[in-house]
Amino acid sequence: NAGVTQTPKFQVLKTGQSMTLQCAQDMNHNSMYWYRQDPGMGLRLIYYSASEGTTDKGEVPNGYNVSRLNKREFSLRLESAAPSQTSVYFCASSTGGDTGELFFGEGSRLTVL
Amino acid sequence: AQSVTQLDSHVSVSEGTPVLLRCNYSSSYSPSLFWYVQHPNKGLQLLLKYTSAATLVKGINGFEAEFKKSETSFHLTKPSAHMSDAAEYFCVVSDTGGFKTIFGAGTRLFVKA
Repeated sequence: NAGVTQTPKFQVLKTGQSMTLQCAQDMNHNSMYWYRQDPGMGLRLIYYSASEGTTDKGEVPNGYNVSRLNKREFSLRLESAAPSQTSVYFCASSTGGDTGELFFGEGSRLTVL
Repeated sequence: AQSVTQLDSHVSVSEGTPVLLRCNYSSSYSPSLFWYVQHPNKGLQLLLKYTSAATLVKGINGFEAEFKKSETSFHLTKPSAHMSDAAEYFCVVSDTGGFKTIFGAGTRLFVKA
């Protein structure tokens, strides 16, 4: 049972390059999320998708776009990468609702030079 | 508005001694509260959650937390630390909609032999 799978696990970009982080879950969850983790700041929500066909901004959406491709897949795109986007990115999923446990992928470490 | 404060960025204990990781929260609603653990280079894993049932919540690996509304606290404890408990721990508050999830900055637990 794979759970939440993110690709790639590591990526180095130059400033201005674009890339897409892929995420897929096999738990039939309705809701999916993208977070970034920076030292001393916990996890901050970038975008989320409450259900298939919907996406909403989180706390730090600037410089990112997302696509909920289907119920399983939720991608995060950086159109023009900046050094401030150097971070570890986590995808998560949940059943949704107020008591939903978040299930996390193992993270994607992105460095922007 | 919701917020969560983890009172210690680092905690160091000796193996076999008790663990206390402190968390205070602020929420306009009846919150759901969670503790997650992150081992090095891994995703986050749920330790335990409070969702307005019993105020003393038991989680995995011998951890437990007590919800104290009067003190707006949700401290994580374990009677006896094990070397494998060394990790980063995150206190999380979520509103009734489930999508406004706020992470604390994290507490790194060190366990000395």
